[in-house]
Amino acid sequence: DAKTTQPNSMESNEEEPVHLPCNHSTISGTDYIHWYRQLPSQGPEYVIHGLTSNVNNRMASLAIAEDRKSSTLILHRATLRDAAVYYCILAADTGRRALTFGSGTRLQVQP
Amino acid sequence: KAGVTQTPRYLIKTRGQQVTLSCSPISGHRSVSWYQQTPGQGLQFLFEYFSETQRNKGNFPGRFSGRQFSNSRSEMNVSTLELGDSALYLCASSLGTGVLDTQYFGPGTRLTVL
Repeated sequence: DAKTTQPNSMESNEEEPVHLPCNHSTISGTDYIHWYRQLPSQGPEYVIHGLTSNVNNRMASLAIAEDRKSSTLILHRATLRDAAVYYCILAADTGRRALTFGSGTRLQVQP
Repeated sequence: KAGVTQTPRYLIKTRGQQVTLSCSPISGHRSVSWYQQTPGQGLQFLFEYFSETQRNKGNFPGRFSGRQFSNSRSEMNVSTLELGDSALYLCASSLGTGVLDTQYFGPGTRLTVL
């Protein structure tokens, strides 16, 4: 499986934008980029995914580099509830569904 | 629509015992996956079931097994428990098995092996 690299931790202030980076230099053409997050004492939850183009949904935006070797999850206005571990995951439609979680980025949001 | 439910939420067992964990997927979802989360190894894939058939298996010993029933509910079993099996066991359900079928996770079962 292609590997992702994320910073161990990041800090943000409430109501400010947050940019969470992810490097995936060995990404293949069929790999989708998924982001999940895990709030304290909960299971992971889906945030967003993309393939080549930038994507927006009600939770976040995903900016994908033109060469696809990196991506950035953007939270437009961080809230205290966004404090979580964010996982960047590559997954291809190969029939093997397992999500390979790395160590993720622990985001702290200060009031 | 109700989310993924897992029972029990907390469990304490002793070494050598066996344990069965249960997962009820979101209504209409036919795929159920199991993951183990530990502080040292993070989140690791155990296995996936779809329509009562195991489709994929992670790199875990044979003491870890699972099954899925016709109503898509799933159970996982761990026999001959070891201290290292202490972990949060997470179940995730999805409509299908495609890479774009979002996986919805339950709150997990916290297993402590003494």
